[in-house]
Amino acid sequence: DTAVSQTPKYLVTQMGNDKSIKCEQNLGHDTMYWYKQDSKKFLKIMFSYNNKELIINETVPNRFSPKSPDKAHLNLHINSLELGDSAVYFCASSQYGAGATKYSTDTQYFGPGTRLTVL
Amino acid sequence: GENVEQHPSTLSVQEGDSAVIKCTYSDSASNYFPWYKQELGKRPQLIIDIRSNVGEKKDQRIAVTLNKTAKHFSLHITETQPEDSAVYFCAASMYSSYKLIFGSGTRLLVRP
Repeated sequence: DTAVSQTPKYLVTQMGNDKSIKCEQNLGHDTMYWYKQDSKKFLKIMFSYNNKELIINETVPNRFSPKSPDKAHLNLHINSLELGDSAVYFCASSQYGAGATKYSTDTQYFGPGTRLTVL
Repeated sequence: GENVEQHPSTLSVQEGDSAVIKCTYSDSASNYFPWYKQELGKRPQLIIDIRSNVGEKKDQRIAVTLNKTAKHFSLHITETQPEDSAVYFCAASMYSSYKLIFGSGTRLLVRP
């Protein structure tokens, strides 16, 4: 019973191509996220969606377009791939937003990651 | 915006010793501070978290302390074991901010 799943696990492609990564959560959570982890292991938020609505876009190039068809899915489409896009992309979900209420915890659960390599 | 600094970047300890990882945050409005463990090739997984209304939290061999005045929080692992070897990330967020700001990570190596 996978909580947060992503496909594909590995993605190798040429510069200039367009690719998509899919994410699904079966936890009934309201909020989903995309994070990018570069070769130095820095984890950086890219997007947050709450109930299918975009909440956070952290100055990500508009070649990256997230789409949330429903609360359980958040896909990431990347146009015109560049060498610098090579990274591991993690999807995550949480019940509400980070730190949603003053005294409750709101854990973010991460997917297994998609390693994108742009040649 | 919020910035989280984490030290040290690498930490090597003998099995059975304690390990301490420290983080500082910039935004005094931050109120939620989770710690994640990431094993090689795996996803980050929450190991412990703390809210700003609490100064310390413990879960078996793992504890986190928070000093709101100084804006820093620390992870303490006692009686380390080789399976504790991983990259540890601290993070901070504000009430309903919908994002976690991560530190740069600490690679912990526990030598048998």
